[in-house]
Amino acid sequence: RKEVEQDPGPFNVPEGATVAFNCTYSNSASQSFFWYRQDCRKEPKLLMSVYSSGNEDGRFTAQLNRASQYISLLIRDSKLSDSATYLCVVNRGNAGNMLTFGGGTRLMVKP
Amino acid sequence: NAGVTQTPKFQVLKTGQSMTLQCAQDMNHNSMYWYRQDPGMGLRLIYYSASEGTTDKGEVPNGYNVSRLNKREFSLRLESAAPSQTSVYFCASSEATWGGRNEQYFGPGTRLTVT
Repeated sequence: RKEVEQDPGPFNVPEGATVAFNCTYSNSASQSFFWYRQDCRKEPKLLMSVYSSGNEDGRFTAQLNRASQYISLLIRDSKLSDSATYLCVVNRGNAGNMLTFGGGTRLMVKP
Repeated sequence: NAGVTQTPKFQVLKTGQSMTLQCAQDMNHNSMYWYRQDPGMGLRLIYYSASEGTTDKGEVPNGYNVSRLNKREFSLRLESAAPSQTSVYFCASSEATWGGRNEQYFGPGTRLTVT
């Protein structure tokens, strides 16, 4: 089983739609959780840190369920510019802040 | 602030050649990381430096060496390049290694092809 699993997609949605991605992780010692966005041929960019109480940043909402070991990302009112690959990232709970990256979920927002 | 910078952006090497990838950050971060990204494999950690003066192996360290030159700079060296090292290499940095602000910020990457 992969340490961090994501549905690779692609998710094809129309502009204005709401879309949700889920991610599961296997390491119960993980303490930090993130969503990164990666555009084609670019570096990953931090989208959100995920806190245990859940957090919202504009159109983006992240949730963490430690008991079930999954993380979700909800995007409301999708824009064309949201088209990208979304990476679920989990730290390993060890010294050195080593992160484990999921394979990413590709989102394509259509006009 | 430039954030994390990497040089070169692109490089083509012949098998057996050596090269050093450079990375610098201007955010006064303590920790720095080198990753490679291959299609279908996601990002994998090669080496990291939790603080100035320390380096540790990641998941895929074979064939690489690193140097934490000072707090700002962390270089990755390929002593004898192999075609299996064809990849996109990303450098990242974070303020903290444990708790606190441990989000990692990435440089623009180096696309390396080994023929």
